[in-house]
Amino acid sequence: SQTIHQWPATLVQPVGSPLSLECTVEGTSNPNLYWYRQAAGRGLQLLFYSVGIGQISSEVPQNLSASRPQDRQFILSSKKLLLSDSGFYLCARTGASTDTQYFGPGTRLTVL
Amino acid sequence: SQQGEEDPQALSIQEGENATMNCSYKTSINNLQWYRQNSGRGLVHLILIRSNEREKHSGRLRVTLDTSKKSSSLLITASRAADTASYFCATAGSTSYGKLTFGQGTILTVHP
Repeated sequence: SQTIHQWPATLVQPVGSPLSLECTVEGTSNPNLYWYRQAAGRGLQLLFYSVGIGQISSEVPQNLSASRPQDRQFILSSKKLLLSDSGFYLCARTGASTDTQYFGPGTRLTVL
Repeated sequence: SQQGEEDPQALSIQEGENATMNCSYKTSINNLQWYRQNSGRGLVHLILIRSNEREKHSGRLRVTLDTSKKSSSLLITASRAADTASYFCATAGSTSYGKLTFGQGTILTVHP
């Protein structure tokens, strides 16, 4: 099983507040992990990816950051949310092959 | 940047009809994948076709790839109401750590 857990499922936060979204995965050890953001009615934008513990690569400059403190844990954070941070955040992992990605259920973030 | 571009943006058909979605991309790829997303949910991998393949089948799905035209198509035969979802193509480069670049998606509605 390549199950992915994300929480919370939904979140409403005021502008300027901090953010912490958590993703935990099951299955193959040492997977590649990814954070994507999806705006309403749009495709996915890759935000961060990680090939191992403590290894984070950023794809898009922004006020978000990511960390991977454990092999199966991936965290997306922000110190101060912006209105533009609203969206659907998806965590994904690779399995035994790095070709295919498995996605979590997502977190819907609304910044007011 | 979003490499894959799907066409059409939306498609509405009757149950039993075939649905064809197209995807174009800009740079060389290692493989191209199609994913499905039900409303408000995570993505589910459907099928992967490698750059040296021209056609692939999986159940009612048929994918073609034309690397000379940098395009792919997804055909769903004998569609069902349960096929209603958004469909995304995603491309992977040769040294991308499994990173995928997604298109904007096609919203498919299958009427019973």
